[in-house]
Amino acid sequence: NAGVTQTPKFQVLKTGQSMTLQCAQDMNHNSMYWYRQDPGMGLRLIYYSASEGTTDKGEVPNGYNVSRLNKREFSLRLESAAPSQTSVYFCASTDRGNQPQHFGDGTRLSIL
Amino acid sequence: AQSVTQPDIHITVSEGASLELRCNYSYGATPYLFWYVQSPGQGLQLLLKYFSGDTLVQGIKGFEAEFKRSQSSFNLRKPSVHWSDAAEYFCAVRDYNQGGKLIFGQGTELSVKP
Repeated sequence: NAGVTQTPKFQVLKTGQSMTLQCAQDMNHNSMYWYRQDPGMGLRLIYYSASEGTTDKGEVPNGYNVSRLNKREFSLRLESAAPSQTSVYFCASTDRGNQPQHFGDGTRLSIL
Repeated sequence: AQSVTQPDIHITVSEGASLELRCNYSYGATPYLFWYVQSPGQGLQLLLKYFSGDTLVQGIKGFEAEFKRSQSSFNLRKPSVHWSDAAEYFCAVRDYNQGGKLIFGQGTELSVKP
């Protein structure tokens, strides 16, 4: 099925470790997003990429970096993980502003 | 600042009963509004969207929502709830800033009694 694929689905890290969350979409969408979901707070935007070759900060970018590798792939990197980054991370993509965003199944990340 | 409020954190309804989930938004221009559903351990699935035109929009799984500009509301309804509707529901508005990000409400968790 076409859609947004995120890897890994689950990950446990120790404080200070680094890791990269991967996201790929096969819908030829221009825009891609990374959100984090925390209880009682809905989803908040970490970074986005309006088109291939561009990335910009969202609401909560501290402690993260991103790479738009090509039109399909948009990765999120935690350079030095902190317990406050324990969350569920969602990648999303869309074609145009008046179209809905399509979401992956999420990465559940725990940092001890 | 733009915002979305879902006043009800948790709602319980009996199977077969009607459902209304509330959503209020604060947005200066004509909003693009969405309802998403999230089952446990899953991603977000689009239920329906409103961009313009008819203020009553139909979605998947028998859901509908009504846009009321005067009340800044976009409430989700279903005439008869099924046990499989138990999930968390999110209302969202598209922001014209930050690449068209979605601004989400806090979510409403729906439980269904047999």
